[in-house]
Amino acid sequence: DAGVIQSPRHEVTEMGQEVTLRCKPISGHNSLFWYRQTMMRGLELLIYFNNNVPIDDSGMPEDRFSAKMPNASFSTLKIQPSEPRDSAVYFCASSTGLQEQYFGPGTRLTVT
Amino acid sequence: AQTVTQSQPEMSVQEAETVTLSCTYDTSESDYYLFWYKQPPSRQMILVIRQEAYKQQNATENRFSVNFQKAAKSFSLKISDSQLGDAAMYFCAYRRNRDDKIIFGKGTRLHILP
Repeated sequence: DAGVIQSPRHEVTEMGQEVTLRCKPISGHNSLFWYRQTMMRGLELLIYFNNNVPIDDSGMPEDRFSAKMPNASFSTLKIQPSEPRDSAVYFCASSTGLQEQYFGPGTRLTVT
Repeated sequence: AQTVTQSQPEMSVQEAETVTLSCTYDTSESDYYLFWYKQPPSRQMILVIRQEAYKQQNATENRFSVNFQKAAKSFSLKISDSQLGDAAMYFCAYRRNRDDKIIFGKGTRLHILP
């Protein structure tokens, strides 16, 4: 199995631009999670899906952030417009729902 | 609300020695899972070990073992024969059985001294 796949691995963008992060979960996993990691705040859960349905988005910082999961093998996290304080590493993880989560390699986002 | 506390922000250990990372958690649940994840400089989050709360036997994975004290709500990780590749941030995590979400501690950065 290829594991959780995230793209891009690095993203540098200017303030105000739209950013889209992509994730392909492990085949057969029915839960998908988006995390943000910063030095100041540690690892934060932004949103998670179960069977493609958003279950808990209480961690989404504000309306500039949105996430979708159109099918079982693909999810996106979009930031529009991006701000410098959004600079972080964004992780996607998947699980079978009742087991441990498997993480992707992360996307390092830098907003200048 | 469930919380996970790692009281040691950083630790150091001599190569080949044994080190124990501490973790406590707070929950009113009786059925849950506990995990230790490792994050090396590559940033990849790697599952190290998992413990089911209903199991009294401590989980072991090669050089990694846990000391699970359910009554004390303590879940420490012991690394034996420390190797340079063990240098990483280690996260303790909790998940209740009827939930998908995992709650992570703030992490302990482990340095291995050659």
